[in-house]
Amino acid sequence: DVKVTQSSRYLVKRTGEKVFLECVQDMDHENMFWYRQDPGLGLRLIYFSYDVKMKEKGDIPEGYSVSREKKERFSLILESASTNQTSMYLCASSFPDLSSYNEQFFGPGTRLTVL
Amino acid sequence: DAKTTQPPSMDCAEGRAANLPCNHSTISGNEYVYWYRQIHSQGPQYIIHGLKNNETNEMASLIITEDRKSSTLILPHATLRDTAVYYCIVRVYGSARQLTFGSGTQLTVLP
Repeated sequence: DVKVTQSSRYLVKRTGEKVFLECVQDMDHENMFWYRQDPGLGLRLIYFSYDVKMKEKGDIPEGYSVSREKKERFSLILESASTNQTSMYLCASSFPDLSSYNEQFFGPGTRLTVL
Repeated sequence: DAKTTQPPSMDCAEGRAANLPCNHSTISGNEYVYWYRQIHSQGPQYIIHGLKNNETNEMASLIITEDRKSSTLILPHATLRDTAVYYCIVRVYGSARQLTFGSGTQLTVLP
């Protein structure tokens, strides 16, 4: 079974702190994604990576950065956490475009609270 | 990606079949129908996808109408663990880019 793991299920940080969210997948997927999910706003893409060291901005990249140094690991960084970044953060991975099975597999999510 | 319409909520008795409808009247010829679900406080989970033929896997069956304007996800023997929000989306096959979920259907399986 595909497994996507995230470093924390719950995280509480203070305004201005630098926050690291880690995601690891074990299926050798090329694509990895970071989303945030908020009530009434659905799933919104923050960043997408299609290969090691490659990244693309999603719909809401402001205030975030990412790092993909190894294929299995995709990190989301909040440079200076703010209260409006309180949210559920979801990591996902998939095979690349035009492959047979490119459905996305999600991790359990990290619920981040910024005080 | 085409827009989908789903009822906001449904109930189903445990052990009975749950039939979740989805309308996608503007679907294009190269768009597939995908279903995901999200159990409370967990990440979304892929269930099934299809183009025009009915599909079945170990989790569910997907019935797509001949005109492809609507589909039904069937959970043949619903259990309490199937209580979740179910999302129907349409997207181009081979497009591994971002998923966009609508509001979905909250399925509650009742004991």
